[in-house]
Amino acid sequence: DAKTTQPTSMDCAEGRAANLPCNHSTISGNEYVYWYRQIHSQGPQYIIHGLKNNETNEMASLIITEDRKSSTLILPHATLRDTAVYYCIVRGSTSGTYKYIFGTGTRLKVLA
Amino acid sequence: GAVVSQHPSRVICKSGTSVKIECRSLDFQATTMFWYRQFPKKSLMLMATSNEGSKATYEQGVEKDKFLINHASLTLSTLTVTSAHPEDSSFYICSARRQGNTGELFFGEGSRLTVL
Repeated sequence: DAKTTQPTSMDCAEGRAANLPCNHSTISGNEYVYWYRQIHSQGPQYIIHGLKNNETNEMASLIITEDRKSSTLILPHATLRDTAVYYCIVRGSTSGTYKYIFGTGTRLKVLA
Repeated sequence: GAVVSQHPSRVICKSGTSVKIECRSLDFQATTMFWYRQFPKKSLMLMATSNEGSKATYEQGVEKDKFLINHASLTLSTLTVTSAHPEDSSFYICSARRQGNTGELFFGEGSRLTVL
């Protein structure tokens, strides 16, 4: 089962920041938080990941709370092309093999 | 970024035939590849974990004899849907994990299988 919960859907105005929350209250100390997005009928695209510290790259920023029980993905200036389903994943390990279990994701709609 | 190529992107077959889907990591070696299945408007469901040189590990409820997975090299994994039936119609997506402690997962573009 997925170890994350996310809102089903969100809207964001074009040009504004999109803040997508994710709860992962059962996360273990060595588990990473990954974010992916999927545009209709395509394979998911990697966005960002983190363990404890906040992270930033050319696509987004990831804010992880101090207790690591939740995180927020921030798209600083959303565009129409950012409309997609965003998945937050806690990467777990079973017998040394990492597994990426997808939850239901958040359907982000960027509005013109 | 890393590239994972999946082929074919679309396939239509008759009921009872077998279909093979290939997944290749083009610019990195992947000791582990994952196969997912996705129904319309649903999330990705992990089917199996494919390890190079060893047998795949299947998730609960996924039939091993139905979905044959082979990971013969560090850059290629194949999924064969045997004796396909209409209920096997779905979007199949492979992914490859780049080696390393935090190896992020890169996905292919998916293969849409339609069984008539």
